[in-house]
Amino acid sequence: GENVEQHPSTLSVQEGDSAVIKCTYSDSASNYFPWYKQELGKGPQLIIDIRSNVGEKKDQRIAVTLNKTAKHFSLHITETQPEDSAVYFCAAPYNFNKFYFGSGTKLNVKP
Amino acid sequence: DTEVTQTPKHLVMGMTNKKSLKCEQHMGHRAMYWYKQKAKKPPELMFVYSYEKLSINESVPSRFSPECPNSSLLNLHLHALQPEDSALYLCASSQVPSGSLDTQYFGPGTRLTVL
Repeated sequence: GENVEQHPSTLSVQEGDSAVIKCTYSDSASNYFPWYKQELGKGPQLIIDIRSNVGEKKDQRIAVTLNKTAKHFSLHITETQPEDSAVYFCAAPYNFNKFYFGSGTKLNVKP
Repeated sequence: DTEVTQTPKHLVMGMTNKKSLKCEQHMGHRAMYWYKQKAKKPPELMFVYSYEKLSINESVPSRFSPECPNSSLLNLHLHALQPEDSALYLCASSQVPSGSLDTQYFGPGTRLTVL
């Protein structure tokens, strides 16, 4: 089955700094990679996603990069703000009908 | 509108109770999902419905019984649960996968406590 590894498990940055979270996957057929943000007591919210036909996608302060050869993808948050503090999950598909989630990264942005 | 709603927000039940969780979406999605999430862990898939038919059951115990009465609603019936079933139960929906998975939108979850 699919194996998704996510690092780091915790990340603490100063407000205004950048944060990078990395995920690797095992299924070379995987072609869609979403990132979710989960705040305490809430459900995961999609923040950005990327399909395998592109290498990078940006949305304001958030970007995702994909390296299909190395089978890894990364979330980049620039100019971090305290409200970016949350748990972030990456996901990769398996068998085209289910997602496997990474183990999560708890991001703490210190004011 | 990308909203998935779930009721109730919180539920406390005894091991002999019968209760139901409800999920609703009005995005026209024909795939709906139940996930279970324990504290500090990622969501774990339980069930997938595609066009109102159960397509995936991830070997979930029979004390959890899903139901999809129509294309907008998804229920999870609970009976004779165990304390270890306490968790956040998440509903999600998406377009029906067709050769490639589509974006899944999650609801806020139901926090279930089994006493």
